[in-house]
Amino acid sequence: GAGVSQTPSNKVTEKGKYVELRCDPISGHTALYWYRQSLGQGPEFLIYFQGTGAADDSGLPNDRFFAVRPEGSVSTLKIQRTERGDSAVYLCASSLRGGSGRPSTDTQYFGPGTRLTVL
Amino acid sequence: AQSVSQHNHHVILSEAASLELGCNYSYGGTVNLFWYVQYPGQHLQLLLKYFSGDPLVKGIKGFEAEFIKSKFSFNLRKPSVQWSDTAEYFCAVSFPTGTASKLTFGTGTRLQVML
Repeated sequence: GAGVSQTPSNKVTEKGKYVELRCDPISGHTALYWYRQSLGQGPEFLIYFQGTGAADDSGLPNDRFFAVRPEGSVSTLKIQRTERGDSAVYLCASSLRGGSGRPSTDTQYFGPGTRLTVL
Repeated sequence: AQSVSQHNHHVILSEAASLELGCNYSYGGTVNLFWYVQYPGQHLQLLLKYFSGDPLVKGIKGFEAEFIKSKFSFNLRKPSVQWSDTAEYFCAVSFPTGTASKLTFGTGTRLQVML
């Protein structure tokens, strides 16, 4: 596709429920990132995929959060036993190469985000 | 820990006024620097980026930013703002530790341009 797409655009759920958020990156981009943006804050890193593998999941807040990218393209962020504090906009970004061990010169392209509200 | 600071949380300007938004980071080594913009109802878009070379970087829509290494700063400027520049602006830094690709963002500056 022309850009990064995310579905759904809005998700309202009840405390304790399970949710899945989907990200479809730009075709050909090997690197994929998930960020979370709370009200009044900048995006915060959650997890980074290089191809199919999670190269860095240090930003995941706890073990209720999990993400997969089984075929190296679409990624799903999964949140178990949702809590009210999980309410935020979840952003996905992709870049051509990614990289590690040095500041990356890749540009990350962001999707529109999924606004998650936990009641 | 590496961090990014944006000191202006909300800026209100009249059209044609000049703009400067501050961004500072805490890290003594090499970094890559970005400014992203989020227009109302739209997703984050890259305004400009600095990797190396000329510390004065020009981006889209007449924006520019200057990297001053001694001040750990990467301030965004525009000589004359337009109403259409109303948006939220985020400074972001890529630090060369761990996953070098991940971005650390500032808290953002909301710019409101009055007609």
